[in-house]
Amino acid sequence: EAGVTQFPSHSVIEKGQTVTLRCDPISGHDNLYWYRRVMGKEIKFLLHFVKESKQDESGMPNNRFLAERTGGTYSTLKVQPAELEDSGVYFCASSQVVSGTDTQYFGPGTRLTVL
Amino acid sequence: QKEVEQNSGPLSVPEGAIASLNCTYSDRGSQSFFWYRQYSGKSPELIMSIYSNGDKEDGRFTAQLNKASQYVSLLIRDSQPSDSATYLCAVKLDGGYNKLIFGAGTRLAVHP
Repeated sequence: EAGVTQFPSHSVIEKGQTVTLRCDPISGHDNLYWYRRVMGKEIKFLLHFVKESKQDESGMPNNRFLAERTGGTYSTLKVQPAELEDSGVYFCASSQVVSGTDTQYFGPGTRLTVL
Repeated sequence: QKEVEQNSGPLSVPEGAIASLNCTYSDRGSQSFFWYRQYSGKSPELIMSIYSNGDKEDGRFTAQLNKASQYVSLLIRDSQPSDSATYLCAVKLDGGYNKLIFGAGTRLAVHP
């Protein structure tokens, strides 16, 4: 079974540009999460989809970030316009509740560098 | 005060020894606790989850949870150089919140 995949693995853009990150969850997983780790800090939650609906977007830093999950399959996270402080590693995770437990499986991350 | 605190390390142990990793959390509403292992440049990989007070063993790994003291620990017996990685403690709150709250991680170095 394929794991969570993310594209691209690395992205280098200039301040003010737009970047779109993609996450493909494990097939059949209704829950999809975005997290971010900035340099030297802990991994922080951004938002949570259940199928195509945003369940919790309390971690989204500001309105420059837009996440979508059309059709309840893959998800995109767009940053527009990008700022220097957006640099970091963006992780996607997916899960399916089984017997009341919810194990989140993480993708390899997208390393975003804003110059 | 951070929500989940871990000593950043590095924690250096000799091969074959027991590595003890600790984590404290601030929210008494925390209900689920996880240990992830992350090799440099790789994705976090779940190695243990624990939901009730006490010990939970899985192979060389033992997770310990004490909700009264708000700490969770991970013991790695017979440590191997391949265990060298960053270990992330994560908690999930009660109340329908699925998000994980992570500590900054402890770097473990197992030397031959």
